[in-house]
Order: sequence, then structure tokens, then C-alpha cells
Amino acid sequence: DQQVKQNSPSLSVQEGRISILNCDYTNSMFDYFLWYKKYPAEGPTFLISISSIKDKNEDGRFTVFLNKSAKHLSLHIVPSQPGDSAVYFCAASDYGGSQGNLIFGKGTKLSVKP
Amino acid sequence: GAGVSQSPSNKVTEKGKDVELRCDPISGHTALYWYRQSLGQGLEFLIYFQGNSAPDKSGLPSDRFSAERTGGSVSTLTIQRTQQEDSAVYLCASSLGRLPDTIYFGEGSWLTVV
Repeated sequence: DQQVKQNSPSLSVQEGRISILNCDYTNSMFDYFLWYKKYPAEGPTFLISISSIKDKNEDGRFTVFLNKSAKHLSLHIVPSQPGDSAVYFCAASDYGGSQGNLIFGKGTKLSVKP
Repeated sequence: GAGVSQSPSNKVTEKGKDVELRCDPISGHTALYWYRQSLGQGLEFLIYFQGNSAPDKSGLPSDRFSAERTGGSVSTLTIQRTQQEDSAVYLCASSLGRLPDTIYFGEGSWLTVV
């Protein structure tokens, strides 16, 4: 049973517009969330994170929003650039507990068109 | 090097053979993770090493899979009697300590079982 779900396998956005990538989770013990970006033939790279004590974290063009009651988080990229085209993975962890690893979603492939 | 190093980068093996995949984490990182990504799937957790603690093996899919970490540094993932469904990218990652320290991924070892 998937604990972290990214229901959109792909998303296409025009350059300069906002990209919104969504992620849902089922485990209420998760208290730390991350987004990773992956280009073809490369390992995932860390993008941005948020802990459950916050509902928003911003880093440049990237903002992550967390809605704990809905068990939902989203990544906003504004403005989107062609170089943002990649697969984005949402990940979650119960780091305050015994779980030491990250649980990943299946990813959303973002295409930003010039 | 400065990053997580994995070898081999590509491996084609015959069904039934054993394979070993190697991971050199970032120097000084105490935590080491193995994930795999099958075609069209997300990152699947396999095993997690943290310092001298017993590893979390909860993600290993069968007893054909094993991993060790020698001297708290280099790790080897071994797959015995490989099957076609083992074909995937095997990703190693390391972090300075436990989460929420950032996890850094290697570029992966692409395994194809024919």
C-alpha cells in the first residue's frame, strides 16, 4: 500500500507560468517532507524540505506547502523554466520516530515548454 | 570525489547469476541508504545503515538480497540468483547523520538481468 502518492505522472507547463506538483500521504506519523528532482541518468538531488511544524517553506522560485489535516503537500515553481524539466519525487519520513529512511512517491514528470 | 560514488554504472547479467553493487558514500557520512527504481516506478527503499546500529533491512524484497557496510564506510549490495524482475536502477545515498540531514544520492547502478 503506497504511503506517499503522486497521482499525476506528468505535467506540462508553459515557460514563465506556475508549476504545481501535488503529493498525498497516508501515514499520520510522517513529520518531515522533502522534494527531490531527478534528471535522466542522474541520481535524485535534494530540492526543498518542510517539517510538520510549518505549513510553508520557500526557497527562491520553489515553495512547498503542507496541509497536515488533508495529508497533502504541494510544490510550487514560479516562474517555471525549461531547465526545471525533470521528474520530481515527493518523500516523507517519520524522523522523530524510529523510521530512518524516506518513503518516496512514484514521481511526476514536469515538462516546461519554451 | 565529493559525491556518492557507485560502481558499476551499468551491469548486464544472466538470470541466475549473482551480482555485487558497490557504494562509496560521502566521507564522514554516517548514514547510508540503498534504494531501487524499477521502470515506471518510484524509489523503493531497500536498506538503511546508521553508524554502528543494526541496519534497517525492512525494505529488502527477498532473502536473495543482502547488504553490508564495512568499516562504517563502503557498502556492497549483493543480489543472489538474479531474476528478470531485479532489473532496475539501484541508488545509493548517504547523509551526515539521521534525518533531517539532507540525503545525497549517487548516480545509480543500472542492472539488467537477461
